[in-house]
Amino acid sequence: NAGVTQTPKFQVLKTGQSMTLQCAQDMNHEYMSWYRQDPGMGLRLIHYSVGAGITDQGEVPNGYNVSRSTTEDFPLRLLSAAPSQTSVYFCASSYQAAHGNTIYFGEGSWLTVV
Amino acid sequence: GQNIDQPTEMTATEGAIVQINCTYQTSGFNGLFWYQQHAGEAPTFLSYNVLDGLEEKGRFSSFLSRSKGYSYRLLKELQLKDSASYLCAVVDSNYQLIWGAGTKLIIKP
Repeated sequence: NAGVTQTPKFQVLKTGQSMTLQCAQDMNHEYMSWYRQDPGMGLRLIHYSVGAGITDQGEVPNGYNVSRSTTEDFPLRLLSAAPSQTSVYFCASSYQAAHGNTIYFGEGSWLTVV
Repeated sequence: GQNIDQPTEMTATEGAIVQINCTYQTSGFNGLFWYQQHAGEAPTFLSYNVLDGLEEKGRFSSFLSRSKGYSYRLLKELQLKDSASYLCAVVDSNYQLIWGAGTKLIIKP
């Protein structure tokens, strides 16, 4: 059971570089999302998608882009990395939007921007 | 604004009982989740409450009072493996999850 798979697990970027965090789920979930987790703060929603072809902004979308061309994949792109984007990123999915549905998280991606 | 408050850190002894509180002020309420997160790992689902009252499952219980904007997670017969962060999250009126910063629970032998 793969569940939610995200890569890479660790990445170091230089300021201004771009990169893509990959996320895939094999549970046929409609809802997918990206969070960042910083010390002393709750998980913050970056972008989310309620189905293929549909994406929307969360609480902290600036500096990030997403796309949802298939039900399975939901990549997160950092356009021009900044030190403020140093964080742990989690991809998550659920059957539908959060209401009552268990959210499954990927293992996390530790990103450092120097 | 929307706010979820949890204690930052708690310490308890193996075999004891601990109660982790969560208070919330959100625009609407459509349920409350508890997740567990071990250091360096992803959060994993523990429980979901949408109605007032206490739900018990083995060593663990989750309580909700919507009128007070309050929930707690009760852990009995603590084991060393219970050392983790416990995250409280509320589903708001837009069906978005609002997360607390989490409570780091340290279990000592």
